[in-house]
Amino acid sequence: KAGVTQTPRYLIKTRGQQVTLSCSPISGHRSVSWYQQTPGQGLQFLFEYFSETQRNKGNFPGRFSGRQFSNSRSEMNVSTLELGDSALYLCASSLMGNTEAFFGQGTRLTVV
Amino acid sequence: AQKVTQAQTEISVVEKEDVTLDCVYETRDTTYYLFWYKQPPSGELVFLIRRNSFDEQNEISGRYSWNFQKSTSSFNFTITASQVVDSAVYFCALSETYGGATNKLIFGTGTLLAVQP
Repeated sequence: KAGVTQTPRYLIKTRGQQVTLSCSPISGHRSVSWYQQTPGQGLQFLFEYFSETQRNKGNFPGRFSGRQFSNSRSEMNVSTLELGDSALYLCASSLMGNTEAFFGQGTRLTVV
Repeated sequence: AQKVTQAQTEISVVEKEDVTLDCVYETRDTTYYLFWYKQPPSGELVFLIRRNSFDEQNEISGRYSWNFQKSTSSFNFTITASQVVDSAVYFCALSETYGGATNKLIFGTGTLLAVQP
């Protein structure tokens, strides 16, 4: 059974640009969550999608957005990138609520 | 407010030693779930265990064991006879249910475990 796939694995962007990250969950999983991991703030929840609807949202500015498609694949977008957005972005796939979350290898975003 | 505290930032042990990683949580919820994840240098978070708030039985899986004590709001993780491959950052996490089913995880700051040969 294939795991969670995140693309791309590494990304370098310039301040002010925008970026789109992709996540393909485990087959059959309908919930996709996104997290930002930085040395200073640790692992922070961005948002969760379930059956194409945003079910939960963390405390991030509106520059961070996401969506989920009918095949459960999800994308997150960050607009007007800032240096502080440099982080490892992790996607997690779950079957339903409050169940085990399986993580992808992450996308390491560097903003210069 | 919900919170997970892992007071141990770094632990260093010699192979074959036992080691316990502490986790203390805060929640208003009566039904909640606790998790442990391992993050090796590759970056991927590896699921280790999920425990619901009504199940206080300790669990053992090979060299791993977990002690859940609701009275002290703790969910500690013990590795017996540690090995170099256990070296990683370990995260404890909390998931609540009061707002409805969710997979939102609140993570602790993690404990870096270094197992020396």
